[in-house]
Amino acid sequence: ELKVEQNPLFLSMQEGKNYTIYCNYSTTSDRLYWYRQDPGKSLESLFVLLSNGAVKQEGRLMASLDTKARLSTLHITAAVHDLSATYFCAVAEETSGSRLTFGEGTQLTVNP
Amino acid sequence: DAGVTQSPTHLIKTRGQQVTLRCSPKSGHDTVSWYQQALGQGPQFIFQYYEEEERQRGNFPDRFSGHQFPNYSSELNVNALLLGDSALYLCASSLVGLADSRRAFFGQGTRLTVV
Repeated sequence: ELKVEQNPLFLSMQEGKNYTIYCNYSTTSDRLYWYRQDPGKSLESLFVLLSNGAVKQEGRLMASLDTKARLSTLHITAAVHDLSATYFCAVAEETSGSRLTFGEGTQLTVNP
Repeated sequence: DAGVTQSPTHLIKTRGQQVTLRCSPKSGHDTVSWYQQALGQGPQFIFQYYEEEERQRGNFPDRFSGHQFPNYSSELNVNALLLGDSALYLCASSLVGLADSRRAFFGQGTRLTVV
């Protein structure tokens, strides 16, 4: 059974600081996704990572994938309040089509 | 281009009742997946429909059933509702094809409360 673990689960940081969220998964995968969720809202797709060494950047967020270590990171640079949300990583097993297994989520709060 | 749309947005039901949730996928998508998200947790996969058939199923009881129509829209049915079924139900649409085209796009969800 595929397991996906994120850490930390809760992150409180000051504006302007940098931090990294980690996502470990337990089996081989050909796709890893990062999603953002605001309170009471649905999931917004942030990044799709398809290969070892893949790196994607959008604004203050950068995601990377190491398939050998079964690890993805979401790095936040110079955080701003608008980044406050819950971030999920989700993994698709190679044989699972588009079925996703999600981590527990990292609840990020950026304080002024 | 309309994204994934779900209805209703909110629903309150009594224990033992039955409920039907609806989803229209993003234009051009042919696969619909349903997820249950309990408060404070990540979404859990319920099942997936492609070509009007259930292709994969997560660890959910038979009380959860679904259907996909020829226009790719889908319904999720839950019978004999339990208090523990209270959650946000998310529909995701995607396209069978190359890996980078299989990104799932999520609807706004249906908040089901069972009392």
